Amino acid sequence: GQNIDQPTEMTATEGAIVQINCTYQTSGFNGLFWYQQHAGEAPTFLSYNVLDGLEEKGRFSSFLSRSKGYSYLLLKELQMKDSASYLCAVRDKDYKLSFGAGTTVTVRA
Amino acid sequence: IAGITQAPTSQILAAGRRMTLRCTQDMRHNAMYWYRQDLGLGLRLIHYSNTAGTTGKGEVPDGYSVSRANTDDFPLTLASAVPSQTSVYFCASSASGDTGELFFGEGSRLTVL
Repeated sequence: GQNIDQPTEMTATEGAIVQINCTYQTSGFNGLFWYQQHAGEAPTFLSYNVLDGLEEKGRFSSFLSRSKGYSYLLLKELQMKDSASYLCAVRDKDYKLSFGAGTTVTVRA
Repeated sequence: IAGITQAPTSQILAAGRRMTLRCTQDMRHNAMYWYRQDLGLGLRLIHYSNTAGTTGKGEVPDGYSVSRANTDDFPLTLASAVPSQTSVYFCASSASGDTGELFFGEGSRLTVL
């Protein structure tokens, strides 16, 4: 099974940088995902890591350390539209995805 | 481009009633999933199907059943609804290969009274 932990809430100022940490314990690791979910909407895919290191995609980057069971999502140049919940998810060897409870990020002007 | 369509969008249901949530995808994805999302608990996997004709149990399968007669459809049935099944239900699909990212439907909000 999976045990996925991430902070409940974070607040940051427009234009700043925020780092959302995620730790996990899994019986069979097969990839880590980050999703964004705006209130009342469906989650949408942000990033995927299966090997150690940093994946960069525009203002968003995601890092993975498999030996430490640790990932982070980095949001740069924050915009008001980035206010949302960010979900860390771990895929197992059977291709099932388990999600953390999510981190609600509030961007303030 | 439809992607994944769920129905109904919202439903209020009396306890003890039978309810089927429908999910259809037009992306020809092999795998399909049902999650429920509750405040503070995040998304929890109910049932999944890696390919047409096969299904498997997720983290919280009790009280729910699914079928996968073809690639496109993956209905979720509550045989006898209970108030603890009040939740937002998301259907998702993924393709084999690449990242295997999930594509989600817009969700079905179910209230059991």
